[in-house]
Amino acid sequence: AQSVAQPEDQVNVAEGNPLTVKCTYSVSGNPYLFWYVQYPNRGLQFLLKYITGDNLVKGSYGFEAEFNKSQTSFHLKKPSALVSDSALYFCAVRRGNDYKLSFGAGTTVTVRA
Amino acid sequence: DGGITQSPKYLFRKEGQNVTLSCEQNLNHDAMYWYRQDPGQGLRLIYYSQIVNDFQKGDIAEGYSVSREKKESFPLTVTSAQKNPTAFYLCASTSQGGTNEKLFFGSGTQLSVL
Repeated sequence: AQSVAQPEDQVNVAEGNPLTVKCTYSVSGNPYLFWYVQYPNRGLQFLLKYITGDNLVKGSYGFEAEFNKSQTSFHLKKPSALVSDSALYFCAVRRGNDYKLSFGAGTTVTVRA
Repeated sequence: DGGITQSPKYLFRKEGQNVTLSCEQNLNHDAMYWYRQDPGQGLRLIYYSQIVNDFQKGDIAEGYSVSREKKESFPLTVTSAQKNPTAFYLCASTSQGGTNEKLFFGSGTQLSVL
């Protein structure tokens, strides 16, 4: 069985400070890893993905994520958070040869001015 | 414009009734998904389909059924066997693999029980 854990329900940071949203996964075989964001009253949007290659992945809106195979983690980061980054963030995983895509429970990020 | 359309936006179910949620995409995607979103539980996979006339159960398929007779359409039926159907339902689609793989989501259907 595959699964995703997002250990923090909420993350609160001040604008301009670094933002990290944690994600660990469990899957057999090679993982395909994704981050999605859900803004208030807007649909879910793709941020970035890791399939293979460079462990540091850059995505939309200045976000990046680092794949760590030994720690089975795929943490989302942004060097300097904006108030507009306040949203619900989801990590997702699937196996390389299967399209079953499993999401975590989500982390609510609040960036205060 | 290309996209994924869910209807209706709001749906009410009576006791013992089956209801069907519509999902249509014109993105020419092979893979389609249904998720249920409950507060604090994230997105839970109900069913997914990688190709026409084929679909697989997700993690919470009991009380739900789907069909995939056309590439563009992936309707979800919430049956009377689903005892706690109140939730926000999201449909999604994606191209298969490669650098273009990312889910496109519909705007969702809020299902409530009368």
